[in-house]
Amino acid sequence: DTAVSQTPKYLVTQMGNDKSIKCEQNLGHDTMYWYKQDSKKFLKIMFSYNNKELIINETVPNRFSPKSPDKAHLNLHINSLELGDSAVYFCASSQTRLAGGWNEQFFGPGTRLTVL
Amino acid sequence: AQKVTQAQTEISVVEKEDVTLDCVYETRDTTYYLFWYKQPPSGELVFLIRRNSFDEQNEISGRYSWNFQKSTSSFNFTITASQVVDSAVYFCALRGGATNKLIFGTGTLLAVQP
Repeated sequence: DTAVSQTPKYLVTQMGNDKSIKCEQNLGHDTMYWYKQDSKKFLKIMFSYNNKELIINETVPNRFSPKSPDKAHLNLHINSLELGDSAVYFCASSQTRLAGGWNEQFFGPGTRLTVL
Repeated sequence: AQKVTQAQTEISVVEKEDVTLDCVYETRDTTYYLFWYKQPPSGELVFLIRRNSFDEQNEISGRYSWNFQKSTSSFNFTITASQVVDSAVYFCALRGGATNKLIFGTGTLLAVQP
């Protein structure tokens, strides 16, 4: 069974379009994340939601809007796509530890976005 | 500020050689967490290990071992008797105690030649 899934796996689109990437986790985790991996493999966090509440919002253009309809889902909508948005986008999830501290994050397979 | 440095951009070894991937971190938090992830050519990110700042015990898992030294702010990863399947990009990451933000290093590309 897939733990963290993302759709689509590949997304090719024209500049200026609006697109969405969906993420679902079946691990029962309370926290979900979006990361961007650029062409040099650098990974950077974009957003994080805990129990549907936004808790991390990095310096990301406001063309990027995350939406968490429930604990198990975190979608990423991107408006007016630009060439520089081309990257691999990873969704991840983790569980807050009741005794404090953080568990490891489990990542989805990634969505390769190509903007032409 | 939190930072993770993986000074080795690429490493190439021949199968069966041992190889150590270096990771140096910076944080002002007294409680923090360190991680290693593997990204094989297929692209997924695979969790390998988590280490808490208050636990300096080294860990061994099969051919993998990790050496955590707070005195030098390092969390190095050694693969013993490397195999071609170990070829991947390996990321070291840091998470401060007060945040759930994971800060990644720039990764080390390991190529194991047959």
